[in-house]
Amino acid sequence: NAGVMQNPRHLVRRRGQEARLRCSPVKGHSHVYWYRQLPEEGLKFMVYLQKENIIDESGMPKERFSAEFPKEGPSILRIQQVVRGDSAAYFCASSGRRGHSGETQYFGPGTRLLVL
Amino acid sequence: GQSLEQPSEVTAVEGAIVQINCTYQTSGFYGLSWYQQHDGGAPTFLSYNALDGLEETGRFSSFLSRSDSYGYLLLQELQMKDSASYFCAAVNQGGKLIFGQGTELSVKP
Repeated sequence: NAGVMQNPRHLVRRRGQEARLRCSPVKGHSHVYWYRQLPEEGLKFMVYLQKENIIDESGMPKERFSAEFPKEGPSILRIQQVVRGDSAAYFCASSGRRGHSGETQYFGPGTRLLVL
Repeated sequence: GQSLEQPSEVTAVEGAIVQINCTYQTSGFYGLSWYQQHDGGAPTFLSYNALDGLEETGRFSSFLSRSDSYGYLLLQELQMKDSASYFCAAVNQGGKLIFGQGTELSVKP
């Protein structure tokens, strides 16, 4: 019974390149959340998706960042033209129902992005 | 804005009891969750309070007072493996989590 899977675990990009982060939720979970964590800080909400729909993207920068959760396959967080300030750990979490029902969010191991 | 305040670090000895406080100021508040994170790894869920009062799960307990916008995590019979970062997180409308900055707990022998 696999938990949340993220890949790659580590990603190195040069400024201006694209970063593509993948998240496979717990089997049967249809709610996916992406968070970003800078060193020594808490996690910051970025985006909430259900299958094929973006529900809340209020925490995601308007430019260069996009996210999707297609009907088939993993959720993707895409960062175009990366800059050094994008270096962070990106965590994906999934739940079976909306979180405010008390349903636990299960977190993946994260992708550590380093922009050179 | 939305914010959660918790102490940046706490130190305690093995076998002791420690309480990590969290005050919050958020809109669309549904409840308060607590997560543990070891060495920057995957945060793991510890507890969730939707209603006022105390929730107990083994050595860990969590408390919420909505009228005071305050909660705490209580860890009993501390073990070395409890050394980690602990985050309170407000569960917001839509289910997104608004995290505090985290409390670094160091357990000494």
